[in-house]
Order: sequence, then structure tokens, then C-alpha cells
Amino acid sequence: DAGVIQSPRHEVTEMGQEVTLRCKPISGHNSLFWYRQTMMRGLELLIYFNNNVPIDDSGMPEDRFSAKMPNASFSTLKIQPSEPRDSAVYFCASSLGLRSNQPQHFGDGTRLSIL
Amino acid sequence: AQKVTQAQTEISVVEKEDVTLDCVYETRDTTYYLFWYKQPPSGELVFLIRRNSFDEQNEISGRYSWNFQKSTSSFNFTITASQVVDSAVYFCALSGPDSWGKLQFGAGTQVVVTP
Repeated sequence: DAGVIQSPRHEVTEMGQEVTLRCKPISGHNSLFWYRQTMMRGLELLIYFNNNVPIDDSGMPEDRFSAKMPNASFSTLKIQPSEPRDSAVYFCASSLGLRSNQPQHFGDGTRLSIL
Repeated sequence: AQKVTQAQTEISVVEKEDVTLDCVYETRDTTYYLFWYKQPPSGELVFLIRRNSFDEQNEISGRYSWNFQKSTSSFNFTITASQVVDSAVYFCALSGPDSWGKLQFGAGTQVVVTP
């Protein structure tokens, strides 16, 4: 079975540009999570969805960040405008559901570099 | 508040040695879940194990074993007869009823296995 699919794998762009990261969760998974990983801050949860509805976006650093989940098989994380400090690896993860505490399965991540 | 502490930043061993990774957690919940994830040099996060707070039995899976001790709030992970392929960062994580499905990650322990 296919795992969580993220695209692109790598993104290099200039400061001020809009960046869109994409995620396709595992089929049948109801919950989707966006994380950011940096050396300084480790793994940070940015936002998560359950049944396509955002549950908690308290981890989103600024208004420049936004996330959507228009349907059960697709989510985007957008940064507009991007800044050098947004450079990080962004992971998407999905799980069968929140209350059952099923493990989260992660995508390969998007390595983002903002110049 | 929940907290996960992985005090060991890096552990270096020679192949075939055993290595134990410590994980200490803090929570006021009586029901919670603990997880271990592996992040190899390629960058993806791989789920290893999930354990709920009512199941204190140790678990063994091949060369991996986990020791859950509720009395000391620890969930330690041992790799027996380590191999070079075990070189990775290992993360311990906690989830509780205040935010089911939301993982609180530790800082991670880098394991370096040399031939």
C-alpha cells in the first residue's frame, strides 16, 4: 500500500515567494498532521485535521502560514510570503483517527530552502 | 502539561554492541500512549512501536526491545547486537487525552553504529 505522499521533495525559492507544499494521506486515514523540523526547535506540530476539518492550528507560527484540506485525499500547506527562517523540513503524517491514538505515519518530507 | 525527555543527545557504539535509549515522560493523565520513531539518514520518520499506559509488559521485536516502567515514568528502548543500519535518530513521543492524536516528541537521540 502507498504511504503518505508529499511533494515536492525539495524546494528552493527566493524570499518573498509563495510556497505550496502538498500531501496525500494514506487512503482511509481520517487524521492529517503537518510538522516542521529544524535543528533548533526539533519536531513541531503546526496544524492537524480530522475528517478534513482543522482541529488545532495553534502551532502555525504566523499568518503567513495557512493549511487546507479540501478533501480526504489531499492537503496543502502554504507560506506566503516566504522568509529565510522558514527553511526547514516539513512533514505530513496521517493516522486512522485521533481518539484511538493510532500511530501517525509520516511522508518523506519536503526540504524547503528559502534564500 | 506533557513533556518527553531524551537526555542522551548522541550514543556511539561499535557494531554488535547493545545500546539502550532512555525516554522519561511527564504527564498528569492516567491514560496515555507512548511511541518510538526512527529517523534514518535518509530523513523519513518510521513508526516503531505504540504502547498504552495500561500495558506494562515489555515487548521484543527482533533485535529491538522496549522496557516500560510506569513507576519511573520511563519507556526505554534497547537495540541488541547493533548494526550499521541502526544508525539513526530515535524519537520518543507521548499522547494523552487532553489532545488525543497530538504527539509530544522528545528531542531525539542520535545513534551512531560504526563497523
